[in-house]
Amino acid sequence: DAMVIQNPRYQVTQFGKPVTLSCSQTLNHNVMYWYQQKSSQAPKLLFHYYDKDFNNEADTPDNFQSRRPNTSFCFLDIRSPGLGDAAMYLCATSRDLPGVGPSEQYFGPGTRLTVT
Amino acid sequence: QKEVEQNSGPLSVPEGAIASLNCTYSDRGSQSFFWYRQYSGKSPELIMSIYSNGDKEDGRFTAQLNKASQYVSLLIRDSQPSDSATYLCAVNIGEGSQGNLIFGKGTKLSVKP
Repeated sequence: DAMVIQNPRYQVTQFGKPVTLSCSQTLNHNVMYWYQQKSSQAPKLLFHYYDKDFNNEADTPDNFQSRRPNTSFCFLDIRSPGLGDAAMYLCATSRDLPGVGPSEQYFGPGTRLTVT
Repeated sequence: QKEVEQNSGPLSVPEGAIASLNCTYSDRGSQSFFWYRQYSGKSPELIMSIYSNGDKEDGRFTAQLNKASQYVSLLIRDSQPSDSATYLCAVNIGEGSQGNLIFGKGTKLSVKP
C-alpha cells in the first residue's frame, strides 16, 4: 500500500544533542511537509518542499533544518534541541493541482520527540 | 493573516445522534477544503475533501461548503463512540510552490454511549 512512513516513532534525546527524524513516501507526491504538533494544538507548519524547492515558514527557528535528497525521502534535523522542542513531529505529502493548489495531505504516523 | 476558525469544544453528543462541526475561513481565494480526524496521540487522518459549493456525502459523513459565506461544515450521522476524536478543518491557500494548507485548532468531539 502506498503510504507515508516515519522513523523512529519515538525518539528520546538529550538537551542540546542533535537529532534527525526521517520520512519516506511511496505516493510519489511532489510536495512534502514537516509539522510540529504540541498537545491540544493544531499542527504547526515548519517548512515544506515543492519538488526540490525549499519553503521555510517565517517563524520556524533556525534550530530546525530539513533535507530532501530525492522525491521519496525528507529529513528533519534539530541542531540543538531544547525542552520546548518536545512535541509530535508529523510528515505529510501532497501533490499540486494546477490552478487549484495543494491536494489533500497524507500524514505519516508521526515521531514523538522527548527532550531530557 | 489567513485563518481557519473552529469551535474548540468539547462537543458532546449521545450515541446515534448527528454531530455538527463548523469551520470558517478568511481567504476568499481558497478552493480546497478538508476534514481530518485525529485520535489522541495519533496523526491526522483524512476523512473528507470538498471543492465545490454544496454537499458531499461519504457514508455517515457529509461535508457542506458555502464559499460565499466562507463556511464549511462536517455532519456525522449516527454518531458512534469510536467517532470521539478531534476534528481538524484544513483550507488551502496559494498555488504552486507557495501552496499550503492552513489548519484550524480542531473541535474535540465526544460521543457518549
